[in-house]
Amino acid sequence: DTEVTQTPKHLVMGMTNKKSLKCEQHMGHRAMYWYKQKAKKPPELMFVYSYEKLSINESVPSRFSPECPNSSLLNLHLHALQPEDSALYLCASSQDRRQNSPLHFGNGTRLTVT
Amino acid sequence: QQQVKQSPQSLIVQKGGISIINCAYENTAFDYFPWYQQFPGKGPALLIAIRPDVSEKKEGRFTISFNKSAKQFSLHIMDSQPGDSATYFCAASSGMNYGGSQGNLIFGKGTKLSVKP
Repeated sequence: DTEVTQTPKHLVMGMTNKKSLKCEQHMGHRAMYWYKQKAKKPPELMFVYSYEKLSINESVPSRFSPECPNSSLLNLHLHALQPEDSALYLCASSQDRRQNSPLHFGNGTRLTVT
Repeated sequence: QQQVKQSPQSLIVQKGGISIINCAYENTAFDYFPWYQQFPGKGPALLIAIRPDVSEKKEGRFTISFNKSAKQFSLHIMDSQPGDSATYFCAASSGMNYGGSQGNLIFGKGTKLSVKP
């Protein structure tokens, strides 16, 4: 099984709700990522944290708010989402941001916005 | 220039056959080419990766062939098994600080492989 743990596995939320996705890794990795994946599409990068600092925000709407409380944890806070935000949200980690540090993905949170 | 074009979109192969998935790129700054395998309900997992200083890399039944002059690379799965049925994504990245996204992976659109018993 994957060494990157994401909770919850499934989430249904209304457009006015506030919810959070959680991701945890204990591999000592110092880079963590959020990706969004729509059905039959490749993962799309949303955010990158390196040594607990946000290093990349790929022009993601402010209704998505990432947080990295420590080197093992990554959260994605959700507020006022739209139905088109329904997707699989994948967390990943890598040893660092060096190019050949393999990405280790979690199994994702399947989000449905109603 | 940032795109990675992957084909075919879907592939059906008989058990024991060879599966071949092709990718092409334009950005000559790309210098790292991984392949990811994704099973339904799971996250992608790194399968094999290559750098342009070699033309071929083999790991078990999986081989990457790389043609630098043609800017193409491909994944060959020998003796394909039903357990190989998954979606495969090629990807590319540049070690240069390209557009502020150093090292970020550019994924192909994916190939859904079905291996029939």
